[in-house]
Amino acid sequence: DVKVTQSSRYLVKRTGEKVFLECVQDMDHENMFWYRQDPGLGLRLIYFSYDVKMKEKGDIPEGYSVSREKKERFSLILESASTNQTSMYLCASNGSPESYEQYFGPGTRLTVT
Amino acid sequence: QQQVKQSPQSLIVQKGGIPIINCAYENTAFDYFPWYQQFPGKGPALLIAIRPDVSEKKEGRFTISFNKSAKQFSLHIMDSQPGDSATYFCAASKNSGYSTLTFGKGTMLLVSP
Repeated sequence: DVKVTQSSRYLVKRTGEKVFLECVQDMDHENMFWYRQDPGLGLRLIYFSYDVKMKEKGDIPEGYSVSREKKERFSLILESASTNQTSMYLCASNGSPESYEQYFGPGTRLTVT
Repeated sequence: QQQVKQSPQSLIVQKGGIPIINCAYENTAFDYFPWYQQFPGKGPALLIAIRPDVSEKKEGRFTISFNKSAKQFSLHIMDSQPGDSATYFCAASKNSGYSTLTFGKGTMLLVSP
């Protein structure tokens, strides 16, 4: 059974802080994704990674960066958190180009005050 | 530019009813159309998916209808149950090798007892 875990379910940070969101998958998946979910806006892709140390921008990368040092771990970094980055952050992984199915973690609700 | 448009934003049906959620896309390069189901406090999970070479796919009480010429697809839930109350997202993907998904904005479904 595929498992995607995220380091925190809830996080409260102050404006200007550097924030790290961690995601780990246990299925040796090649592809990993970070989304943010906002009411009425659905899921929007921030960044994705198709291999270790490889990354690609998604639709809304501004204000974010990512790191993938190991295959199983994909980190989302907010260099200087702002209030408009208050959101639910979802990590997902995918096993192969032939299978489009993405497996999601439970999400991290980040509040920036 | 919203590439996948989903409607309605919310839907209330009585138990046993057949809720229908509609999605329309613009990019003819899309070749995979999944529906994800999300319960409160959980990440989205794949419910059912279709490729454009078929017009309909059924899995249990869930059916996708696909109209390639109209660039539309819809989810039907037969004999809906209160346990089906969730947020549903349609999505689309093109064969880019990275399995990225473009999501609709979501539909909150409430099935009343």
